Amino acid sequence: RKEVEQDPGPFNVPEGATVAFNCTYSNSASQSFFWYRQDCRKEPKLLMSVYSSGNEDGRFTAQLNRASQYISLLIRDSKLSDSATYLCVVNNAGGKLTFGTGTRLQVTL
Amino acid sequence: GAGVSQSPRYKVAKRGQDVALRCDPISGHVSLFWYQQALGQGPEFLTYFQNEAQLDKSGLPSDRFFAERPEGSVSTLKIQRTQQEDSAVYLCASSPTSGGYNEQFFGPGTRLTVL
Repeated sequence: RKEVEQDPGPFNVPEGATVAFNCTYSNSASQSFFWYRQDCRKEPKLLMSVYSSGNEDGRFTAQLNRASQYISLLIRDSKLSDSATYLCVVNNAGGKLTFGTGTRLQVTL
Repeated sequence: GAGVSQSPRYKVAKRGQDVALRCDPISGHVSLFWYQQALGQGPEFLTYFQNEAQLDKSGLPSDRFFAERPEGSVSTLKIQRTQQEDSAVYLCASSPTSGGYNEQFFGPGTRLTVL
């Protein structure tokens, strides 16, 4: 079993749709959590950190459930420019990031 | 300001050749990480430096992989006697703090193809 699991998709949604991605992690001692975005043939870039209280950044909302070891990302009013791979990322200790396989999102007209 | 840079961007090697991949982190960043990303997968951790000290090399797949950061800035990842399974994108990331609990800034990667 992978340490961070995500549905690889692809998720194909029309512009304006709301889409949700989920991720589970296996290490209960994990300390910090992130969503990174990776465009095709580009490097990963931080989209947002994820906190237990939930956090929102514009159209993006991230949630962490430590009891269930579950992380989510909600994108509202999808734009064509949101098309990318979304990587669920966990930091256990010492800076080592553990990435999920990524969920591919394709937003269409 | 300048981000993380990596060179070369692309490298083709014949099986058995040695390669050296360079990473220039953001100036002043304490932490430096190397990751390996195979096609269709997320990046996988290779090694971590805090300044010049290599604090974690648990992700290096074999003793053919070696990394250094002698002066606490530029880092080199060396792969000896390359094999086809080494073909991947090698990503370098840096972070301003120790422990990497904050954002890691990634370079564009070096795409290594071993024939």
